Amino acid sequence: QSVLTQPPSASGTPGQRVTISCSGSSSNIGSNAVNWYQQLPGTAPKLLIYSNNQRPSGVPDRFSGSKSGTSASLAISGLQSEDEVDYYCATWDDSLNGWVFGGGTKLTVL
Amino acid sequence: EVQLVESGGGLVQPGGSLRLSCAASGFTFSSYWMHWVRQAPGKGLVWVSRVKDDGSDTKYADSVKGRFTISRDNAKNTLYLQMNSLRAEDTAVYYCARAGVGSGLDSWGQGTLVTVSS
Repeated sequence: QSVLTQPPSASGTPGQRVTISCSGSSSNIGSNAVNWYQQLPGTAPKLLIYSNNQRPSGVPDRFSGSKSGTSASLAISGLQSEDEVDYYCATWDDSLNGWVFGGGTKLTVL
Repeated sequence: EVQLVESGGGLVQPGGSLRLSCAASGFTFSSYWMHWVRQAPGKGLVWVSRVKDDGSDTKYADSVKGRFTISRDNAKNTLYLQMNSLRAEDTAVYYCARAGVGSGLDSWGQGTLVTVSS
């Protein structure tokens, strides 16, 4: 059972906009910045969004993040077939004194 | 370019030990806190441990506390994870990750697979 809650799956058609939610608590999302990671099969996670809504260089602006209270969201616009991978949210937890992750969301492009 | 390369994984029997290494390059290793994160086959990411930039402070997930030890050698730009009393549930790909300033775990190695089985 992951500390952060994500839907196990999400889907959309090419060109569509989809959002993935991430729910936590006051000790994690409520008091710390949220990161989002993209993971292709058999590879390491790649930082997609940091500090709630910042994109590292090289990440397309189709990807955006937001946070409100104890929840965060990742939005992907102009959905493409190569977006069909796994996405994880993550943040620091002040009570556990460590990083916590969501269970991951598998995105399907229909 | 930031590079993190893990090594040391393999097959070990329950109760056995293994030491993982993570060789860092492309950045000033001694300036960054470092972490280990693992991922069991087909499962999600789970934080394991972290060490302060100078090695003076460490933290562990409850599931590995007392069995795993994180350390670093800044002269060798290398991060370590000593794993003792290994259990089947420790089977996972272990990633080392750099904690950027304000950017969370911003760089990850390719991972090394640890399999605990008799």
